[in-house]
Amino acid sequence: NAGVTQTPKFQVLKTGQSMTLQCAQDMNHEYMSWYRQDPGMGLRLIHYSVGAGITDQGEVPNGYNVSRSTTEDFPLRLLSAAPSQTSVYFCASKGGAFYGYTFGSGTRLTVV
Amino acid sequence: GIQVEQSPPDLILQEGANSTLRCNFSDSVNNLQWFHQNPWGQLINLFYIPSGTKQNGRLSATTVATERYSLLYISSSQTTDSGVYFCAVQGGTSYGKLTFGQGTILTVHP
Repeated sequence: NAGVTQTPKFQVLKTGQSMTLQCAQDMNHEYMSWYRQDPGMGLRLIHYSVGAGITDQGEVPNGYNVSRSTTEDFPLRLLSAAPSQTSVYFCASKGGAFYGYTFGSGTRLTVV
Repeated sequence: GIQVEQSPPDLILQEGANSTLRCNFSDSVNNLQWFHQNPWGQLINLFYIPSGTKQNGRLSATTVATERYSLLYISSSQTTDSGVYFCAVQGGTSYGKLTFGQGTILTVHP
């Protein structure tokens, strides 16, 4: 049982490049979500999913796409990277009503 | 959307001291968690506590849902307790959406 696995752990992109941040969970959780954390701030919700095939926007969705074709995976796509997307990205998942969210270890992204 | 306020923003302690961190939220919640973000950036889940009281070693938490606040108690603090403590909530109808407070930065000196 690996929990929530994020890859890669570190990434440097050039402005305008695209990439996909991977997130996988092996706990059969319904809910999955992506957050970004900027220096000195709490985490802000980018996109979330309440089940396979269902996604919705969070607080800061611009510049990011998601899809949820399986229960296990919830990739985050940066379409055309910008320096403002330099941040640490966290993926999380949640199971039933009486359990909290489990977070991955994060991806530190730098856009130059 | 739901608002989350944490206090104090910063806290400096000597090893062995006790402390209380507060989280106020603006609406009913069906999920409330306390996290510790360590110096390596990992988010460690401390408590899932939408209501009631829980204890885990030197840490305990209480949520009074009807009054919309939660408290995290740290007793006999250690240097390894240093880091940022976040409160995060999920509103009553906002399934899948966790809202974080700004955090409390705790520094424990030996």
